[in-house]
Amino acid sequence: NAGVMQNPRHLVRRRGQEARLRCSPMKGHSHVYWYRQLPEEGLKFMVYLQKENIIDESGMPKERFSAEFPKEGPSILRIQQVVRGDSAAYFCASSPHPRATEQYFGPGTRLTVT
Amino acid sequence: TQLLEQSPQFLSIQEGENLTVYCNSSSVFSSLQWYRQEPGEGPVLLVTVVTGGEVKKLKRLTFQFGDARKDSSLHITAAQPGDTGLYLCAGDNSGGSNYKLTFGKGTLLTVNP
Repeated sequence: NAGVMQNPRHLVRRRGQEARLRCSPMKGHSHVYWYRQLPEEGLKFMVYLQKENIIDESGMPKERFSAEFPKEGPSILRIQQVVRGDSAAYFCASSPHPRATEQYFGPGTRLTVT
Repeated sequence: TQLLEQSPQFLSIQEGENLTVYCNSSSVFSSLQWYRQEPGEGPVLLVTVVTGGEVKKLKRLTFQFGDARKDSSLHITAAQPGDTGLYLCAGDNSGGSNYKLTFGKGTLLTVNP
C-alpha cells in the first residue's frame, strides 16, 4: 500500500518563474492538506482540499499561491512568480476522513528559489 | 494563534541514556500527535493521544498527555542511534477545526554511539 507521494522531491526555480508541486494521496484517501516548513520554523498549515473543492485556504498567501485537487489526478500546489522567501519544504498529507488524528505525510518537495 | 512550545530545542546524548522532551501550550487541544522527521523526509506519525492523563507506550517510547490537555511529554528509555531525528508535536485546534494541525518547532535529538 503506497504512501503519500510527492514530486518532484527537489525543485529549483529562478525568481519570477512558476513552481508546480504535485501530491498523490494514499489509496482510499480523499482529503489532502498542504503544509509549509520554512527554515528554523515549524510546519504551517496552508490549505485543505477534498476532490474538486477547496475547504479551507486560510493558511495560504492570498497572492501567487493556488491549490487544486481535481477529480482525476494529483493535487497541485502552484506558486506563481516565485520569490526567494518561497524557498521551503512543502509537505502534503492525506487522510480518509477530515481529522487531524489521521494525517499521513509525504516526503515533501524542497523548493529552492535562486 | 495557538502555539506549541517544545523543549529542549536540541538534545545530544549517549547511547543507553534516558531522555524526556516536552510540548507545552497555554491552549487546550482535542488531540495531540507526536511525529519523528528524519532529514530530507516527511514527518512520520508515532502516536496520537486524545484523553487527558493518557499514557501510551511504543516499545521504548512513552507518551503522556497532560490532565488539562495542554501539554505532553515523550520519554525515551535506553536511547539508540536509530532514535536520532527531529521530534515534532502537533495538536488539532479544538476551536472548531478538527483537521488543522498546529506544529511545534521540534526537538532535534542526536544519539551518539
